[in-house]
Amino acid sequence: GNSVTQMEGPVTLSEEAFLTINCTYTATGYPSLFWYVQYPGEGLQLLLKATKADDKGSNKGFEATYRKETTSFHLEKGSVQVSDSAVYFCALSNQAGTALIFGKGTTLSVSS
Amino acid sequence: NAGVTQTPKFQVLKTGQSMTLQCAQDMNHEYMSWYRQDPGMGLRLIHYSVGAGITDQGEVPNGYNVSRSTTEDFPLRLLSAAPSQTSVYFCASTSETGELFFGEGSRLTVL
Repeated sequence: GNSVTQMEGPVTLSEEAFLTINCTYTATGYPSLFWYVQYPGEGLQLLLKATKADDKGSNKGFEATYRKETTSFHLEKGSVQVSDSAVYFCALSNQAGTALIFGKGTTLSVSS
Repeated sequence: NAGVTQTPKFQVLKTGQSMTLQCAQDMNHEYMSWYRQDPGMGLRLIHYSVGAGITDQGEVPNGYNVSRSTTEDFPLRLLSAAPSQTSVYFCASTSETGELFFGEGSRLTVL
C-alpha cells in the first residue's frame, strides 16, 4: 500500500534560517500529496498540497514540489519565524483515494 | 462555520469500560475518517467511510467499531477499553478536492 516517510525531528532553528523537511513516498498510481501543520494544542490544518507531478504547492511562505522521479515532496521555507514552531506532517492519499496516510511528523522549534 | 465537531474533548476510562466518541460535520462531505495520534507514530487511520451506510477498516481497526447512519455523523465506539487505546483521536471529513478537515481532537486516557 501507499506509505510516506519523513525526516525525524526535532528540528531546531534560529529565526530567519532556511528550513527543509524531507518527505518521500511509495505509492501505486499518482496520489495527491499534502503537508499539514499542527500548532500546540490544536488539530491539524492543511498547509499546502499538490495533485500531480511537478506541481508546486505554496502557502504562508512554505513551498513543496511534487517530484515523481525522486518520489519526494520536501517542504521548504526561506526564512522561518518563531510562529512557525509546530509539528509538520507529510501525507498522501491512500490507494482508494478515500483517506490520507500520514508520516510520523517533524517537530520544528524556532527560537528568536 | 462549525466544520467538524468532536465530543468529548477529554475522557478518562477504566479498563473494560465502553464509550463512544462523537463526530459531526456540516460540510456535506461524503468521506469521513478517524485517526489516532500517538507520540512518535504520527496519525494512524482507524476506520473510514465513503458515505452513509458504508465503512471500512484502516491501518489500526482492532478494538474500535464505527457506523455511518447519516452523512453528518460518524461515531467511533470502544467496546472494551484497554490502556493501549490511550491516545488523542481525530475525526476528519474530506472535501471533493481531497483536503481533510479535522476536528479539535479527543484526548482519551484508559487506566
